[in-house]
Amino acid sequence: DQQVKQNSPSLSVQEGRISILNCDYTNSMFDYFLWYKKYPAEGPTFLISISSIKDKNEDGRFTVFLNKSAKHLSLHIVPSQPGDSAVYFCAASNYGGSQGNLIFGKGTKLSVKP
Amino acid sequence: DTEVTQTPKHLVMGMTNKKSLKCEQHMGHRAMYWYKQKAKKPPELMFVYSYEKLSINESVPSRFSPECPNSSLLNLHLHALQPEDSALYLCASSPGPQGSRYGYTFGSGTRLTVV
Repeated sequence: DQQVKQNSPSLSVQEGRISILNCDYTNSMFDYFLWYKKYPAEGPTFLISISSIKDKNEDGRFTVFLNKSAKHLSLHIVPSQPGDSAVYFCAASNYGGSQGNLIFGKGTKLSVKP
Repeated sequence: DTEVTQTPKHLVMGMTNKKSLKCEQHMGHRAMYWYKQKAKKPPELMFVYSYEKLSINESVPSRFSPECPNSSLLNLHLHALQPEDSALYLCASSPGPQGSRYGYTFGSGTRLTVV
């Protein structure tokens, strides 16, 4: 049973527009959420994170929103650039627990068209 | 040095072979991880080493044998694998076992093909 779900396997966006990637989770014990970006033939690269006590975290063009009541988070990329084309993984963890293992979603492949 | 280095990048092995995957980091991280990722699937945790001790084994078959010789190195010994074990094997590290707001630092992975 998947604890972290990314229901959109792919997303295509025009350059300069907003990309919105969504993620849902089921475990209310998760207290940290992270987004990773992965290019082919490379390992995932950390992008941005958010603690469960916050509802928004912003870093340049990337903003993550967290809605705890809905167990939903989203990553906004504005403006989108062709170099943002990659697979984006949502991950969650229970850092307050005994082991901060990351649980990953299946990923969403973002294509940004020039 | 802010990288996790994995070798080899690609490995093809027969079902009777013995091989090892290597992972190295020099960031002073005290937790290291092995993940397995199959195509169109999320990375799945295999093993966690915390302060050079195995702390989590996610019911991984014994044909996969991890080893942490020191705080900078993590090996995964492979023996008698099956074709379904073909996957991308990712190594990662974090400052400590409790995780951090920056998550893990991942290596580029070893693409393993079992024939």
